[in-house]
Amino acid sequence: GPKVLQIPSHQIIDMGQMVTLNCDPVSNHLYFYWYKQILGQQMEFLVNFYNGKVMEKSKLFKDQFSVERPDGSYFTLKIQPTALEDSAVYFCASSLDWGEQYFGPGTRLTVL
Amino acid sequence: AQKVTQTQTSISVMEKTTVTMDCVYETQDSSYFLFWYKQTASGEIVFLIRQDSYKKENATVGHYSLNFQKPKSSIGLIITATQIEDSAVYFCAMREGGAGANTGKLTFGHGTILRVHP
Repeated sequence: GPKVLQIPSHQIIDMGQMVTLNCDPVSNHLYFYWYKQILGQQMEFLVNFYNGKVMEKSKLFKDQFSVERPDGSYFTLKIQPTALEDSAVYFCASSLDWGEQYFGPGTRLTVL
Repeated sequence: AQKVTQTQTSISVMEKTTVTMDCVYETQDSSYFLFWYKQTASGEIVFLIRQDSYKKENATVGHYSLNFQKPKSSIGLIITATQIEDSAVYFCAMREGGAGANTGKLTFGHGTILRVHP
């Protein structure tokens, strides 16, 4: 199926630092998403993004989080500053419309 | 608020048999979309199959099919002729709202671990 890429696969940083997670969505997709998965638990929606704007965000999408996709480049999730509870696997997804979403392999973020 | 529940924590089956995984959902919307994904041992999340709430016919893709029971708010996943490589965690997910709804948010269940033995 369609491939979504994520860089890096694993990131370790100290609490309080900034981190940027990168996503390369499927080329013709228009909608972009971030989800968070803590080990062994369900995936939880963070945010969706369309036409340069945040469409919807959950309560997990704290003020320290931001997303952007400057002109066809990576769709990014930035966390500044990071906290211990931000440690999780972050999955990017994209979709052509409001149908099925295709997920990347995830970025494992470890905040020390 | 929307909710998706998968009551089976794990299932073990023998290869080449049929397995059914349960999922029930809660929504106030009259129109919604249901999805099944699997997460492999490597962490990869793969889209499997989808059911639109307004469709009465159960969706089928390859050896995956759905048992959609709308009055029971239930969407079971059926895998026929299971293979070793079907071993994974299976997630049920729901998106509320029709095609014109302004959200793509997926709400996921906790997942069911499927182990297929030779």
